[in-house]
Amino acid sequence: QKEVEQNSGPLSVPEGAIASLNCTYSDRVSQSFFWYRQYSGKSPELIMSIYSNGDKEDGRFTAQLNKASQYVSLLIRDSQPSDSATYLCAVRGEYSSASKIIFGSGTRLSIRP
Amino acid sequence: GAGVSQSPSNKVTEKGKDVELRCDPISGHTALYWYRQSLGQGLEFLIYFQGNSAPDKSGLPSDRFSAERTGGSVSTLTIQRTQQEDSAVYLCASSSPMDLYEQFFGPGTRLTVL
Repeated sequence: QKEVEQNSGPLSVPEGAIASLNCTYSDRVSQSFFWYRQYSGKSPELIMSIYSNGDKEDGRFTAQLNKASQYVSLLIRDSQPSDSATYLCAVRGEYSSASKIIFGSGTRLSIRP
Repeated sequence: GAGVSQSPSNKVTEKGKDVELRCDPISGHTALYWYRQSLGQGLEFLIYFQGNSAPDKSGLPSDRFSAERTGGSVSTLTIQRTQQEDSAVYLCASSSPMDLYEQFFGPGTRLTVL
Protein backbone atom coordinates (compact mmCIF):
# COMPACT_ATOMS: atom_id res chain seq x y z
CA GLN A 1 0.00 0.00 0.00
CA LYS A 2 1.31 3.43 -0.93
CA GLU A 3 1.86 5.78 1.98
CA VAL A 4 -0.14 8.59 0.34
CA GLU A 5 -2.75 7.72 -2.26
CA GLN A 6 -4.62 9.92 -4.67
CA ASN A 7 -6.83 9.18 -7.63
CA SER A 8 -4.75 10.15 -10.66
CA GLY A 9 -7.76 11.48 -12.55
CA PRO A 10 -8.31 13.31 -14.71
CA LEU A 11 -11.16 14.80 -12.75
CA SER A 12 -13.34 16.92 -15.01
CA VAL A 13 -15.53 19.58 -13.38
CA PRO A 14 -17.67 22.25 -15.06
CA GLU A 15 -16.75 25.86 -14.48
CA GLY A 16 -18.47 27.29 -11.41
CA ALA A 17 -18.97 23.90 -9.76
CA ILE A 18 -17.21 22.49 -6.68
CA ALA A 19 -14.16 20.34 -7.31
CA SER A 20 -13.46 17.72 -4.65
CA LEU A 21 -10.02 16.15 -4.39
CA ASN A 22 -9.31 13.31 -2.01
CA CYS A 23 -6.21 11.83 -0.43
CA THR A 24 -5.74 8.91 1.95
CA TYR A 25 -2.67 8.09 3.97
CA SER A 26 -1.42 4.99 5.72
CA ASP A 27 0.55 6.38 8.67
CA ARG A 28 -2.01 6.73 11.45
CA VAL A 29 0.15 9.14 13.46
CA SER A 30 0.59 11.62 10.62
CA GLN A 31 0.23 15.17 11.87
CA SER A 32 0.72 17.66 9.06
CA PHE A 33 -1.02 17.72 5.72
CA PHE A 34 -0.42 19.87 2.68
CA TRP A 35 -1.96 20.51 -0.71
CA TYR A 36 0.24 21.68 -3.56
CA ARG A 37 -0.91 22.83 -6.99
CA GLN A 38 1.29 22.07 -9.97
CA TYR A 39 0.60 23.51 -13.39
CA SER A 40 1.87 21.55 -16.35
CA GLY A 41 5.60 22.08 -16.75
CA LYS A 42 5.83 24.13 -13.57
CA SER A 43 6.96 23.43 -10.02
CA PRO A 44 4.57 22.69 -7.12
CA GLU A 45 3.12 25.61 -5.21
CA LEU A 46 1.79 25.29 -1.66
CA ILE A 47 -1.86 26.31 -1.46
CA MET A 48 -3.10 24.85 1.84
CA SER A 49 -1.80 23.28 5.01
CA ILE A 50 -3.91 21.70 7.75
CA TYR A 51 -2.92 20.22 11.09
CA SER A 52 -6.17 19.67 13.03
CA ASN A 53 -9.32 17.70 12.37
CA GLY A 54 -12.05 19.65 10.66
CA ASP A 55 -12.18 22.27 7.96
CA LYS A 56 -9.81 25.09 7.09
CA GLU A 57 -10.96 27.69 4.60
CA ASP A 58 -8.88 30.06 2.53
CA GLY A 59 -10.77 31.95 -0.15
CA ARG A 60 -12.29 29.45 -2.59
CA PHE A 61 -10.26 26.59 -1.08
CA THR A 62 -11.29 24.41 1.87
CA ALA A 63 -9.12 21.65 3.28
CA GLN A 64 -10.85 18.94 5.29
CA LEU A 65 -9.04 16.56 7.60
CA ASN A 66 -10.37 13.40 9.22
CA LYS A 67 -7.60 11.65 11.13
CA ALA A 68 -9.83 8.81 12.30
CA SER A 69 -10.55 7.86 8.70
CA GLN A 70 -7.07 8.87 7.53
CA TYR A 71 -8.14 11.11 4.74
CA VAL A 72 -7.67 14.70 3.76
CA SER A 73 -9.56 16.47 1.03
CA LEU A 74 -9.45 19.74 -0.85
CA LEU A 75 -12.59 21.48 -2.05
CA ILE A 76 -12.42 24.21 -4.65
CA ARG A 77 -15.57 26.31 -4.87
CA ASP A 78 -16.62 28.24 -7.96
CA SER A 79 -14.05 26.37 -10.05
CA GLN A 80 -12.28 28.41 -12.69
CA PRO A 81 -10.37 27.25 -15.79
CA SER A 82 -7.24 28.58 -14.07
CA ASP A 83 -7.71 25.88 -11.42
CA SER A 84 -6.89 23.24 -14.03
CA ALA A 85 -3.70 21.66 -12.71
CA THR A 86 -2.38 18.63 -10.86
CA TYR A 87 -2.97 18.72 -7.12
CA LEU A 88 -0.44 16.96 -4.90
CA CYS A 89 -1.25 15.82 -1.39
CA ALA A 90 1.67 15.66 1.08
CA VAL A 91 1.79 14.18 4.57
CA ARG A 92 4.24 14.35 7.46
CA GLY A 93 4.36 11.82 10.31
CA GLU A 94 4.32 12.70 14.02
CA TYR A 95 7.96 12.20 14.85
CA SER A 96 9.35 12.66 11.40
CA SER A 97 11.87 15.24 10.49
CA ALA A 98 10.91 17.70 7.82
CA SER A 99 12.47 15.41 5.27
CA LYS A 100 9.86 12.74 5.83
CA ILE A 101 7.13 14.55 4.00
CA ILE A 102 5.63 12.02 1.62
CA PHE A 103 3.93 13.19 -1.56
CA GLY A 104 1.14 11.50 -3.41
CA SER A 105 1.36 11.13 -7.16
CA GLY A 106 -1.26 13.81 -7.70
CA THR A 107 -4.76 14.23 -9.13
CA ARG A 108 -5.12 15.98 -12.47
CA LEU A 109 -8.04 18.43 -12.39
CA SER A 110 -9.60 19.84 -15.54
CA ILE A 111 -12.18 22.63 -15.36
CA ARG A 112 -14.28 22.72 -18.49
CA PRO A 113 -15.81 26.09 -19.53
CA GLY B 1 15.92 36.95 -6.02
CA ALA B 2 12.71 36.37 -4.14
CA GLY B 3 12.32 32.68 -4.91
CA VAL B 4 14.29 29.46 -5.21
CA SER B 5 16.38 29.39 -8.36
CA GLN B 6 17.81 26.40 -10.17
CA SER B 7 20.22 26.01 -13.04
CA PRO B 8 20.36 24.90 -15.71
CA SER B 9 16.67 24.80 -16.59
CA ASN B 10 17.33 22.04 -19.11
CA LYS B 11 20.21 19.62 -19.42
CA VAL B 12 20.72 17.05 -22.14
CA THR B 13 23.59 14.66 -21.66
CA GLU B 14 24.88 11.38 -22.96
CA LYS B 15 24.70 8.19 -20.99
CA GLY B 16 27.78 7.77 -18.82
CA LYS B 17 28.52 11.47 -18.43
CA ASP B 18 28.46 13.30 -15.08
CA VAL B 19 26.09 16.21 -14.48
CA GLU B 20 25.84 18.92 -11.82
CA LEU B 21 22.58 20.63 -10.95
CA ARG B 22 22.52 23.81 -8.89
CA CYS B 23 20.01 25.18 -6.40
CA ASP B 24 19.99 28.62 -4.80
CA PRO B 25 17.44 28.69 -1.93
CA ILE B 26 15.47 31.64 -0.62
CA SER B 27 17.66 33.88 1.49
CA GLY B 28 17.34 32.98 5.17
CA HIS B 29 15.89 29.52 4.53
CA THR B 30 17.92 26.99 6.50
CA ALA B 31 16.36 23.83 5.07
CA LEU B 32 16.94 22.64 1.50
CA TYR B 33 15.48 19.60 -0.24
CA TRP B 34 16.08 17.82 -3.51
CA TYR B 35 13.31 15.83 -5.19
CA ARG B 36 12.99 13.99 -8.47
CA GLN B 37 9.79 13.90 -10.50
CA SER B 38 9.40 11.57 -13.44
CA LEU B 39 6.76 12.24 -16.07
CA GLY B 40 3.28 11.95 -14.58
CA GLN B 41 4.61 10.85 -11.23
CA GLY B 42 4.74 12.34 -7.75
CA LEU B 43 7.78 13.73 -6.02
CA GLU B 44 10.52 11.32 -4.98
CA PHE B 45 12.55 12.60 -2.02
CA LEU B 46 16.31 12.52 -2.58
CA ILE B 47 18.15 14.47 0.12
CA TYR B 48 17.55 17.07 2.84
CA PHE B 49 19.89 19.63 4.40
CA GLN B 50 19.04 21.49 7.60
CA GLY B 51 21.49 24.06 8.90
CA ASN B 52 24.73 22.48 10.08
CA SER B 53 23.18 19.07 10.74
CA ALA B 54 24.26 16.00 8.83
CA PRO B 55 22.14 15.73 5.67
CA ASP B 56 19.43 13.10 5.37
CA LYS B 57 20.56 11.12 2.33
CA SER B 58 18.05 8.32 2.72
CA GLY B 59 16.35 9.04 -0.59
CA LEU B 60 19.38 8.91 -2.86
CA PRO B 61 18.71 6.03 -5.28
CA SER B 62 22.33 4.93 -5.74
CA ASP B 63 25.90 5.91 -4.93
CA ARG B 64 26.05 7.68 -8.29
CA PHE B 65 24.03 10.46 -6.67
CA SER B 66 25.56 12.94 -4.24
CA ALA B 67 24.83 16.43 -3.04
CA GLU B 68 26.54 19.11 -1.08
CA ARG B 69 25.56 22.42 0.37
CA THR B 70 28.30 24.96 0.80
CA GLY B 71 28.10 27.77 3.32
CA GLY B 72 24.56 26.80 4.27
CA SER B 73 23.21 28.26 1.06
CA VAL B 74 23.77 27.02 -2.49
CA SER B 75 23.49 23.29 -3.11
CA THR B 76 24.79 21.12 -5.94
CA LEU B 77 23.34 17.74 -6.87
CA THR B 78 25.80 15.59 -8.78
CA ILE B 79 24.89 12.52 -10.79
CA GLN B 80 27.83 10.44 -11.95
CA ARG B 81 27.80 8.07 -14.93
CA THR B 82 24.25 9.07 -15.85
CA GLN B 83 21.79 6.42 -17.00
CA GLN B 84 18.65 6.83 -19.10
CA GLU B 85 16.49 6.13 -16.05
CA ASP B 86 17.93 9.26 -14.44
CA SER B 87 15.93 11.34 -16.91
CA ALA B 88 13.46 13.39 -14.88
CA VAL B 89 12.80 16.86 -13.51
CA TYR B 90 14.95 17.57 -10.48
CA LEU B 91 13.26 19.95 -8.07
CA CYS B 92 14.83 21.87 -5.24
CA ALA B 93 12.84 23.35 -2.37
CA SER B 94 13.70 25.40 0.69
CA SER B 95 11.88 26.24 3.89
CA SER B 96 12.17 28.78 6.64
CA PRO B 97 13.35 27.94 10.17
CA MET B 98 10.03 29.40 11.31
CA ASP B 99 8.13 26.67 9.45
CA LEU B 100 10.25 23.80 8.19
CA TYR B 101 7.31 21.97 6.71
CA GLU B 102 6.12 24.58 4.25
CA GLN B 103 8.37 24.15 1.27
CA PHE B 104 8.91 26.57 -1.57
CA PHE B 105 9.96 24.98 -4.83
CA GLY B 106 12.28 26.14 -7.55
CA PRO B 107 11.42 25.84 -11.26
CA GLY B 108 13.33 22.58 -11.62
CA THR B 109 15.98 21.23 -13.95
CA ARG B 110 14.77 18.91 -16.71
CA LEU B 111 17.45 16.29 -17.22
CA THR B 112 17.44 14.16 -20.36
CA VAL B 113 19.94 11.33 -20.67
CA LEU B 114 20.32 10.06 -24.22
